[in-house]
Amino acid sequence: GAVVSQHPSRVICKSGTSVKIECRSLDFQATTMFWYRQFPKQSLMLMATSNEGSKATYEQGVEKDKFLINHASLTLSTLTVTSAHPEDSSFYICSARDRMRGDGRFYEQYFGPGTRLTVT
Amino acid sequence: AQKVTQAQTEISVVEKEDVTLDCVYETRDTTYYLFWYKQPPSGELVFLIRRNSFDEQNEISGRYSWNFQKSTSSFNFTITASQVVDSAVYFCALTYSGTYKYIFGTGTRLKVLA
Repeated sequence: GAVVSQHPSRVICKSGTSVKIECRSLDFQATTMFWYRQFPKQSLMLMATSNEGSKATYEQGVEKDKFLINHASLTLSTLTVTSAHPEDSSFYICSARDRMRGDGRFYEQYFGPGTRLTVT
Repeated sequence: AQKVTQAQTEISVVEKEDVTLDCVYETRDTTYYLFWYKQPPSGELVFLIRRNSFDEQNEISGRYSWNFQKSTSSFNFTITASQVVDSAVYFCALTYSGTYKYIFGTGTRLKVLA
Protein backbone atom coordinates (compact mmCIF):
# COMPACT_ATOMS: atom_id res chain seq x y z
CA GLY A 1 0.00 0.00 0.00
CA ALA A 2 0.93 3.64 -0.19
CA VAL A 3 3.30 5.06 2.37
CA VAL A 4 3.10 8.24 4.37
CA SER A 5 6.02 9.28 6.50
CA GLN A 6 6.32 11.75 9.33
CA HIS A 7 9.40 13.43 10.66
CA PRO A 8 10.43 13.51 13.38
CA SER A 9 8.87 10.51 15.04
CA ARG A 10 9.54 11.96 18.45
CA VAL A 11 10.51 15.45 19.57
CA ILE A 12 11.07 17.16 22.88
CA CYS A 13 11.13 20.93 22.98
CA LYS A 14 11.17 23.63 25.60
CA SER A 15 8.16 25.73 26.41
CA GLY A 16 7.98 28.80 24.22
CA THR A 17 9.82 27.36 21.27
CA SER A 18 8.37 26.29 17.94
CA VAL A 19 8.56 22.86 16.40
CA LYS A 20 7.89 21.72 12.85
CA ILE A 21 6.49 18.33 11.90
CA GLU A 22 6.66 17.07 8.35
CA CYS A 23 4.23 14.77 6.60
CA ARG A 24 5.23 13.25 3.27
CA SER A 25 3.47 11.01 0.81
CA LEU A 26 6.27 8.85 -0.50
CA ASP A 27 4.81 7.21 -3.59
CA PHE A 28 1.77 9.24 -4.54
CA GLN A 29 0.60 12.81 -4.89
CA ALA A 30 -1.66 14.16 -2.18
CA THR A 31 -3.64 17.29 -2.90
CA THR A 32 -5.20 16.97 0.51
CA MET A 33 -3.63 16.04 3.81
CA PHE A 34 -5.12 15.99 7.26
CA TRP A 35 -3.65 16.65 10.69
CA TYR A 36 -4.98 14.90 13.76
CA ARG A 37 -4.10 15.21 17.41
CA GLN A 38 -4.40 12.41 19.91
CA PHE A 39 -4.03 12.97 23.64
CA PRO A 40 -3.10 9.99 25.80
CA LYS A 41 -5.80 7.36 25.92
CA GLN A 42 -8.10 9.46 23.78
CA SER A 43 -9.35 9.37 20.24
CA LEU A 44 -7.98 11.10 17.19
CA MET A 45 -9.38 14.57 16.69
CA LEU A 46 -9.09 16.30 13.35
CA MET A 47 -7.27 19.61 13.65
CA ALA A 48 -7.14 20.83 10.10
CA THR A 49 -7.35 19.98 6.44
CA SER A 50 -4.35 20.94 4.38
CA ASN A 51 -4.85 21.64 0.68
CA GLU A 52 -1.94 21.98 -1.70
CA GLY A 53 -1.51 25.54 -2.83
CA SER A 54 -4.18 27.05 -0.62
CA LYS A 55 -4.85 27.89 2.99
CA ALA A 56 -5.61 25.17 5.44
CA THR A 57 -9.07 24.75 6.87
CA TYR A 58 -9.11 24.48 10.65
CA GLU A 59 -11.65 22.71 12.81
CA GLN A 60 -13.58 24.66 15.35
CA GLY A 61 -11.53 25.42 18.42
CA VAL A 62 -8.14 24.96 16.77
CA GLU A 63 -6.00 28.09 16.80
CA LYS A 64 -4.70 28.68 13.31
CA ASP A 65 -2.02 31.10 14.51
CA LYS A 66 -0.68 28.50 16.87
CA PHE A 67 -0.78 25.54 14.51
CA LEU A 68 0.61 26.75 11.22
CA ILE A 69 0.07 24.44 8.27
CA ASN A 70 1.86 24.70 4.97
CA HIS A 71 1.16 22.40 2.04
CA ALA A 72 3.71 23.65 -0.43
CA SER A 73 3.91 20.63 -2.69
CA LEU A 74 1.86 17.60 -3.66
CA THR A 75 3.92 15.40 -1.39
CA LEU A 76 4.64 17.53 1.66
CA SER A 77 2.62 19.21 4.37
CA THR A 78 4.13 20.72 7.48
CA LEU A 79 2.60 21.50 10.85
CA THR A 80 4.39 24.06 12.97
CA VAL A 81 3.44 24.34 16.61
CA THR A 82 4.37 27.87 17.55
CA SER A 83 5.24 28.95 21.06
CA ALA A 84 4.62 25.45 22.32
CA HIS A 85 3.41 24.85 25.84
CA PRO A 86 3.16 21.66 27.90
CA GLU A 87 -0.54 21.36 27.06
CA ASP A 88 0.44 20.99 23.40
CA SER A 89 2.19 17.74 24.24
CA SER A 90 0.40 15.13 22.21
CA PHE A 91 0.64 12.57 19.45
CA TYR A 92 0.20 14.22 16.06
CA ILE A 93 -0.84 12.08 13.11
CA CYS A 94 -1.19 13.11 9.51
CA SER A 95 -3.04 11.40 6.70
CA ALA A 96 -2.81 11.92 2.96
CA ARG A 97 -5.46 11.41 0.34
CA ASP A 98 -4.45 9.73 -2.90
CA ARG A 99 -6.35 11.43 -5.68
CA MET A 100 -5.56 8.63 -8.08
CA ARG A 101 -7.05 5.80 -6.03
CA GLY A 102 -10.75 6.24 -5.76
CA ASP A 103 -14.14 5.77 -7.32
CA GLY A 104 -15.13 9.40 -7.67
CA ARG A 105 -16.79 9.52 -4.28
CA PHE A 106 -14.08 8.16 -2.06
CA TYR A 107 -10.34 8.38 -2.35
CA GLU A 108 -7.97 6.29 -0.34
CA GLN A 109 -6.34 7.91 2.65
CA TYR A 110 -3.19 6.73 4.30
CA PHE A 111 -2.03 7.56 7.78
CA GLY A 112 1.46 8.44 8.84
CA PRO A 113 3.16 6.77 11.81
CA GLY A 114 2.67 9.79 14.05
CA THR A 115 4.91 12.26 15.87
CA ARG A 116 5.06 12.33 19.63
CA LEU A 117 5.61 15.87 20.86
CA THR A 118 6.65 16.55 24.44
CA VAL A 119 6.93 20.13 25.60
CA THR A 120 8.88 20.63 28.81
CA ALA B 1 -24.94 14.81 13.19
CA GLN B 2 -22.14 12.52 12.18
CA LYS B 3 -20.91 10.43 15.03
CA VAL B 4 -19.26 7.15 15.91
CA THR B 5 -19.84 5.48 19.25
CA GLN B 6 -17.70 2.74 20.71
CA ALA B 7 -19.33 2.06 24.03
CA GLN B 8 -16.73 -0.43 25.22
CA THR B 9 -13.82 1.46 26.67
CA GLU B 10 -11.76 -1.55 27.59
CA ILE B 11 -12.16 -5.29 27.18
CA SER B 12 -10.02 -8.03 28.67
CA VAL B 13 -10.16 -11.58 27.41
CA VAL B 14 -8.10 -14.67 27.86
CA GLU B 15 -6.18 -15.93 24.88
CA LYS B 16 -8.20 -18.07 22.46
CA GLU B 17 -11.47 -16.46 23.48
CA ASP B 18 -13.59 -14.76 20.85
CA VAL B 19 -14.27 -11.07 21.31
CA THR B 20 -16.59 -8.61 19.60
CA LEU B 21 -15.95 -4.89 19.48
CA ASP B 22 -19.02 -2.77 18.95
CA CYS B 23 -19.38 0.27 16.74
CA VAL B 24 -22.52 2.32 16.24
CA TYR B 25 -22.57 5.22 13.84
CA GLU B 26 -24.82 8.12 12.99
CA THR B 27 -24.99 9.88 9.66
CA ARG B 28 -27.61 11.56 7.51
CA ASP B 29 -25.79 10.71 4.31
CA THR B 30 -26.76 7.76 2.21
CA THR B 31 -23.21 7.38 0.91
CA TYR B 32 -20.69 6.80 3.63
CA TYR B 33 -17.70 4.67 4.48
CA LEU B 34 -16.82 2.85 7.65
CA PHE B 35 -13.41 1.73 8.82
CA TRP B 36 -11.67 -0.20 11.52
CA TYR B 37 -8.13 0.60 12.55
CA LYS B 38 -5.81 -1.05 15.04
CA GLN B 39 -3.44 1.09 17.07
CA PRO B 40 -0.74 -0.91 18.83
CA PRO B 41 1.43 0.68 21.54
CA SER B 42 3.74 2.10 18.87
CA GLY B 43 0.92 4.45 17.93
CA GLU B 44 0.86 3.79 14.22
CA LEU B 45 -2.63 3.18 12.86
CA VAL B 46 -3.02 -0.11 11.06
CA PHE B 47 -5.83 -0.23 8.51
CA LEU B 48 -8.06 -3.28 8.88
CA ILE B 49 -11.10 -2.77 6.71
CA ARG B 50 -13.22 -0.30 4.78
CA ARG B 51 -16.88 -0.75 3.99
CA ASN B 52 -19.17 1.47 1.94
CA SER B 53 -22.82 2.00 2.68
CA PHE B 54 -23.93 0.11 -0.39
CA ASP B 55 -22.24 -3.10 0.56
CA GLU B 56 -23.73 -4.84 3.56
CA GLN B 57 -21.97 -8.09 2.99
CA ASN B 58 -20.17 -9.36 6.01
CA GLU B 59 -16.49 -9.97 5.61
CA ILE B 60 -14.06 -12.45 7.01
CA SER B 61 -10.30 -12.16 6.90
CA GLY B 62 -8.54 -14.91 8.79
CA ARG B 63 -9.49 -14.57 12.46
CA TYR B 64 -11.16 -11.23 11.84
CA SER B 65 -14.77 -10.76 10.78
CA TRP B 66 -17.03 -7.77 10.44
CA ASN B 67 -20.80 -7.50 10.68
CA PHE B 68 -22.29 -4.46 8.99
CA GLN B 69 -25.99 -3.85 9.65
CA LYS B 70 -27.54 -0.67 8.31
CA SER B 71 -30.80 -1.39 10.10
CA THR B 72 -29.09 -0.89 13.44
CA SER B 73 -26.33 1.44 12.18
CA SER B 74 -23.71 -0.91 13.49
CA PHE B 75 -20.40 -2.17 12.19
CA ASN B 76 -19.11 -4.69 14.70
CA PHE B 77 -15.76 -6.39 14.64
CA THR B 78 -15.10 -9.90 15.92
CA ILE B 79 -11.76 -11.50 16.60
CA THR B 80 -11.92 -15.25 16.79
CA ALA B 81 -9.45 -17.18 18.93
CA SER B 82 -7.79 -14.03 20.19
CA GLN B 83 -4.05 -13.84 20.62
CA VAL B 84 -1.81 -11.69 22.80
CA VAL B 85 -0.65 -9.85 19.67
CA ASP B 86 -4.22 -8.63 19.21
CA SER B 87 -3.82 -6.42 22.26
CA ALA B 88 -4.21 -2.84 21.04
CA VAL B 89 -6.68 0.00 20.82
CA TYR B 90 -9.19 -0.45 18.03
CA PHE B 91 -10.89 2.49 16.39
CA CYS B 92 -14.01 2.57 14.29
CA ALA B 93 -14.25 5.55 11.92
CA LEU B 94 -16.69 7.11 9.50
CA THR B 95 -16.42 9.35 6.50
CA TYR B 96 -19.15 10.35 4.10
CA SER B 97 -19.57 11.56 0.59
CA GLY B 98 -18.55 15.16 0.06
CA THR B 99 -15.97 15.25 2.80
CA TYR B 100 -12.73 13.51 3.42
CA LYS B 101 -12.68 13.95 7.13
CA TYR B 102 -12.59 10.85 9.24
CA ILE B 103 -14.70 10.83 12.37
CA PHE B 104 -13.24 8.46 14.88
CA GLY B 105 -14.92 6.68 17.74
CA THR B 106 -13.33 6.87 21.16
CA GLY B 107 -11.67 3.52 20.71
CA THR B 108 -11.79 0.21 22.54
CA ARG B 109 -8.70 -0.99 24.36
CA LEU B 110 -8.42 -4.75 24.00
CA LYS B 111 -6.20 -6.70 26.35
CA VAL B 112 -5.63 -10.33 25.55
CA LEU B 113 -4.14 -12.18 28.48
CA ALA B 114 -1.96 -15.23 28.07
